[in-house]
Amino acid sequence: TQLLEQSPQFLSIQEGENLTVYCNSSSVFSSLQWYRQEPGEGPVLLVTVVTGGEVKKLKRLTFQFGDARKDSSLHITAAQPGDTGLYLCAGRSGTYKYIFGTGTRLKVLA
Amino acid sequence: EAQVTQNPRYLITVTGKKLTVTCSQNMNHEYMSWYRQDPGLGLRQIYYSMNVEVTDKGDVPEGYKVSRKEKRNFPLILESPSPNQTSLYFCASSLGSPGATEAFFGQGTRLTVV
Repeated sequence: TQLLEQSPQFLSIQEGENLTVYCNSSSVFSSLQWYRQEPGEGPVLLVTVVTGGEVKKLKRLTFQFGDARKDSSLHITAAQPGDTGLYLCAGRSGTYKYIFGTGTRLKVLA
Repeated sequence: EAQVTQNPRYLITVTGKKLTVTCSQNMNHEYMSWYRQDPGLGLRQIYYSMNVEVTDKGDVPEGYKVSRKEKRNFPLILESPSPNQTSLYFCASSLGSPGATEAFFGQGTRLTVV
C-alpha cells in the first residue's frame, strides 16, 4: 500500500514568516495534488504537479514535485492569517484508488 | 452552481441501526468516492466508483456498502454501525481518474455512533 507522510503535523507561526510543508513517500506517483481544507468544509484543490522537478507558483505559494516523483513540498512566503487551514497532499494509487497524506495543520497568528 | 451535496450534515445514531448518507453531484462526473477523516490519519478512501454500476473498495471498506445506480448519486450505507465508525465523512466527484482531474468535495457528514 502506498503511503504519503506529511511533516510537520502542526505548525503555528507569526504573520509574515515563511514555512515549508513536506509530503513524502517511498513510492512513485504519476502526479501529486495539494488541497487546503478549512473547518466545516471539504478540501479544495490548490495545484496538481505532474512532472518530476516541476515547480508551480500560486501567488505566495510555491509547490515542487521531487525529481523522482516520490515527494513534494509546499512553501508559503510571508504567511497571512488567511492561510490558516489543513493542508493535504494526495496522489493516485494504482489506477483508481486515491490516497491522502496525513495532513499539516497550519495556524498563522496575526 | 456546480456542487457535491451530502445529507445529512450531522447524524447521531445508535449501534446497529442501519443508516444511509446520500451524495449527489450535478457536474456529470464519472468518478465518485467516499472518504472518512479522523484526527492524525488524514482522509482515507472507503469506496470509489468509476462509473454507473462500477464500484470498488478503497483502503477502509469494512462495515460500509455503496451503490451507483445513477451517475449523479453515490450513497454510503452502514448496515450495522459501530462506535468505531464515528467520523467525518466526505463524498467527492471528479470528471476522470483521481490525480489527473480535480476532485470536488461535499461539505461533509459528521457521524456519531453511540
